[in-house]
Amino acid sequence: DGGITQSPKYLFRKEGQNVTLSCEQNLNHDAMYWYRQDPGQGLRLIYYSQIVNDFQKGDIAEGYSVSREKKESFPLTVTSAQKNPTAFYLCASSLAGVRNEQFFGPGTRLTVL
Amino acid sequence: AQKITQTQPGMFVQEKEAVTLDCTYDTSDQSYGLFWYKQPSSGEMIFLIYQGSYDEQNATEGRYSLNFQKARKSANLVISASQLGDSAMYFCAMREGWNTGNQFYFGTGTSLTVIP
Repeated sequence: DGGITQSPKYLFRKEGQNVTLSCEQNLNHDAMYWYRQDPGQGLRLIYYSQIVNDFQKGDIAEGYSVSREKKESFPLTVTSAQKNPTAFYLCASSLAGVRNEQFFGPGTRLTVL
Repeated sequence: AQKITQTQPGMFVQEKEAVTLDCTYDTSDQSYGLFWYKQPSSGEMIFLIYQGSYDEQNATEGRYSLNFQKARKSANLVISASQLGDSAMYFCAMREGWNTGNQFYFGTGTSLTVIP
């Protein structure tokens, strides 16, 4: 079955530690995205990538980093520079073109203690 | 300016009744797509319905329909015959033409509660 996987589902880290969230898709989509969602809030774009080895900052990129070495994978690193990293993180992918929707992974809930 | 505006933070509807969730958008592109997603308490994002800017007919998918008024830049979601399982957050989103790099813009969402 095609889809997007994110791991782990729940993640706990101590303050000051970097942590990497995994996102893998087998939909052959060129574009991939990372969003952050705080309780009761909407989605805020962190980073997105249109093709391999290329990515752009979204609205809240500070304190985060990404890589896109393979079409299938778009990992997100939450660095110690991110002031308030506790949140729900969603990864998505899509084909190019305005008619194509985003497919979302199940999300990772990160808690920094 | 906000690309997508959802002005209803929370809505209530009686089971089996219809409900309309509002969405207005802002774009100068001629070619764009409008999407609605449902997010239950589990957190997953479920795609519901799509409307293209050039589509002449309003989109429908089962109990979901999109009331597309292009001149008013609105794309309201109508859910008919509400069910308890429709209780969730609903997000409106827009995707503009090629020159904006495949980015999606999301609204702040509307929390829908279906009352038995």
